[in-house]
Order: sequence, then C-alpha cells, then structure tokens
Amino acid sequence: EAQVTQNPRYLITVTGKKLTVTCSQNMNHEYMSWYRQDPGLGLRQIYYSMNVEVTDKGDVPEGYKVSRKEKRNFPLILESPSPNQTSLYFCASSSGQGAQKTQYFGPGTRLLVL
Amino acid sequence: DAKTTQPNSMESNEEEPVHLPCNHSTISGTDYIHWYRQLPSQGPEYVIHGLTSNVNNRMASLAIAEDRKSSTLILHRATLRDAAVYYCILRDIGWEGNTPLVFGKGTRLSVIA
Repeated sequence: EAQVTQNPRYLITVTGKKLTVTCSQNMNHEYMSWYRQDPGLGLRQIYYSMNVEVTDKGDVPEGYKVSRKEKRNFPLILESPSPNQTSLYFCASSSGQGAQKTQYFGPGTRLLVL
Repeated sequence: DAKTTQPNSMESNEEEPVHLPCNHSTISGTDYIHWYRQLPSQGPEYVIHGLTSNVNNRMASLAIAEDRKSSTLILHRATLRDAAVYYCILRDIGWEGNTPLVFGKGTRLSVIA
C-alpha cells in the first residue's frame, strides 16, 4: 500500500532534549516536505527536499534541521526543542515539484515540549 | 497563491448529496483548483483537482463555474466517514519550483446519521 509513515505518532519531551521525528515513503517520490499545523495558523511548511541531498527552507525553518540521505526517508530534527515547537507535524511527499503534483501526507506526529 | 473563501461549516444528512462551495474571484488563468480534506486525527488527503472543465473521480466531482471565479465540490452520497474539514486551494501551474500547499480555514463538514 502506498503510504507515508511517521514515527513517533505522539511525543512528550522537555526543553532542550534533542529529538528526531522520522518520515518514510514507499512511493519512490522525489519531493518531500515537513509542515506544522497550529490552531488558527493552518499548515506551514518547515523544510522541503527536491531529491536526495537537496534540501531547502520553507516558511518556518527556525529551530529545525532535516536531512535526505536516502530517497525514501526525510527525518525532522529538533536539536534543542522549545515550548513554541509544540505542534502537530506532518510529512508529505509527491512525485515531483509543481502545482499539478498530488501531495501525500503522513498521519501526523503530535509533539508536546514542556 | 490566490485567496479562496469557504463557509466555516456545513451539515449534511447521511446518504444525501453535499455541495461544498468555494469562491476564488482573483483566480488567474494558470491556477489549478485543488481540494484536500482532513479527517479527524489524520493528515490531509487529496480529493480532486481541475482547471476549467468539470472533473469526476471515485471520491467526488468538481464543478467549475464558467468564469472560474467559483467552484463546488460535490460528494454524491455523504457517509459518516466524509465528516472532515475540506480545503479549497489554488495552485499556479506556471511555477515548477517548491509549491507548498497553503491551507486556509476550510469548511468543516458534519454528517448526521
């Protein structure tokens, strides 16, 4: 089954403790992206990747890092999480860039930073 | 991306058709109209998209006004599983770079058994 998976689905952590949220897709998609969803603000893009070893900032990249060493994986790294990074995070992938490409989303990771 | 306007919420009875409207009066000639939905506790899910002609797929139909300033997503027989927030999004096909989806507030659809 074609899908985007994220782990963990729920995470409670404390300020400053490094964490990684994994994202994996099995559709051989070139394009992957991370969003965060906050009440009243909709979805905002954090980082995106056009292909292996090619990543770039989205609209809200501060406090986050990403890497793309393999096509299927695109982990999101919070080196020193802060409470304002408490949010619902979604990973997405598509077969390319461009407005005609359908984006497939993972189930989300709900993060609480204390 | 150009702006879209949708009603905050709508309600439908189960097994009845549902028409979800979207206004996009400032749409440009190169904007595709996309619909995504987000079920409770899930990630957004693609529904349908179109440019000028009406479109049908297994999930829904998309009716686009002749002047393209509005469109309607049609669910032919609403089920309880269709209860979700529905987002109407315009995407410029002239740009092949990074194209994040810009979600507005959407329409929260409730389906009554």
